[in-house]
Parts: sequence; structure tokens; C-alpha cells
Amino acid sequence: KQEVTQIPAALSVPEGENLVLNCSFTDSAIYNLQWFRQDPGKGLTSLLLIQSSQREQTSGRLNASLDKSSGRSTLYIAASQPGDSATYLCAVSPMEYGNKLVFGAGTILRVKS
Amino acid sequence: GAVVSQHPSWVICKSGTSVKIECRSLDFQATTMFWYRQFPKQSLMLMATSNEGSKATYEQGVEKDKFLINHASLTLSTLTVTSAHPEDSSFYICSARGGNSPLHFGNGTRLTVT
Repeated sequence: KQEVTQIPAALSVPEGENLVLNCSFTDSAIYNLQWFRQDPGKGLTSLLLIQSSQREQTSGRLNASLDKSSGRSTLYIAASQPGDSATYLCAVSPMEYGNKLVFGAGTILRVKS
Repeated sequence: GAVVSQHPSWVICKSGTSVKIECRSLDFQATTMFWYRQFPKQSLMLMATSNEGSKATYEQGVEKDKFLINHASLTLSTLTVTSAHPEDSSFYICSARGGNSPLHFGNGTRLTVT
């Protein structure tokens, strides 16, 4: 059974700092991995999607990497801003389950001004 | 861009009553919709997958008679929590996909059962 773990569970940093969020998954047989952002009491916004054949994706100040063989992904946020404060969720699409996503519990990020 | 609308955003109901949550795709045809449940500080747990015009596929441990899912059209899926109890209080989120398009999420529904 695929399990997704995110570390740290919570992170508080001063504005301007670069930071890394970690995600690990137990089964490397995945179609893709996605990073989402969730604001309190809201739904999810997709940030980056990495296909299993890719190593990384970039969007603005965000960079996500994927090492499928070791079951790891990182989300790098450059020059963090207070507006980046949110919960960041990692999810994989296991080959076993087709369309379904398996989520991690998330990392709660707070960027202090 | 594509938008998924979920309604209501929050609801409070008494124990024993039923609550219906709607999930609509506003500018695309959603052939598949997913319903998730999220407890505080926990990950989203998939409850069921619904394809338009067919019965929903429920995940292990999810009671299909308690969580009724209807996906009668390409733009609407509903989740009805029947005979709700306090332990059903949670955040329910839907997502929708049409063909090969990306997955889009609704803003969720906060259900509180008193």
C-alpha cells in the first residue's frame, strides 16, 4: 500500500529565506507526483506536477524535484514571502490505482514578515 | 481557467439528519469526480470515485449506504451524508477531471454535526 510522508509537519521562517519541503513515498511505481497548496478552510491549488519520467519542474520561485527510485521529492521555495504561508501537500498517483491520488499529511508553512 | 464549485462551503446540522454537498464543474465536462475527506492536520483520504452515469466506486472502509454519491450529469456530482453523526464532522473536498485535463479541486465543505 502506497504511503506518503511529509517532513517537517510545520515550519516557521522569516521572510526572504529559501526553504525546502520534503516528501517521501513507499512505492516507486507512480505515474506522477504533485505538489499542492491549501489555504485554511479552502480547497487545493496545484503548484507543480512532475511526471514519473521527469526529474524536476519549475514555476516562478518554486522548484520541485523527483527521485523516483529513492521515493523522494522536494519542493524548494526561493525568497519566501508572507503570502506563501499555507499548507503544502504532496500527492502521488500510484500505477496500481490509476486516477487516484495518495496524499501526505502536509507541511504547514508560516512565513513571518 | 477551469473551476470546480463546491456548495455549501460550510454547514451545521443536527445528529440524525442528512446533508447534501454539491460539486459542479463550471466550464468543462467532468467525466470523473472524486470525493475526499480531511480531518484536522491530516491528509486527504479518498472516499469514492464517481464516473458520470455509473455507480460510484467506494474505497475500503467507506460506507456506501451512509455516503451516497450521485454523478447524474457531466457537470454535477453530489455527496449526501445520511443520518449524520458527530463523528462525520469533517472537511469534504471534491475534485473533477474531464478527459485528459488536469485535476481541479473544489474549495471544500466544512460539515459540523451537533
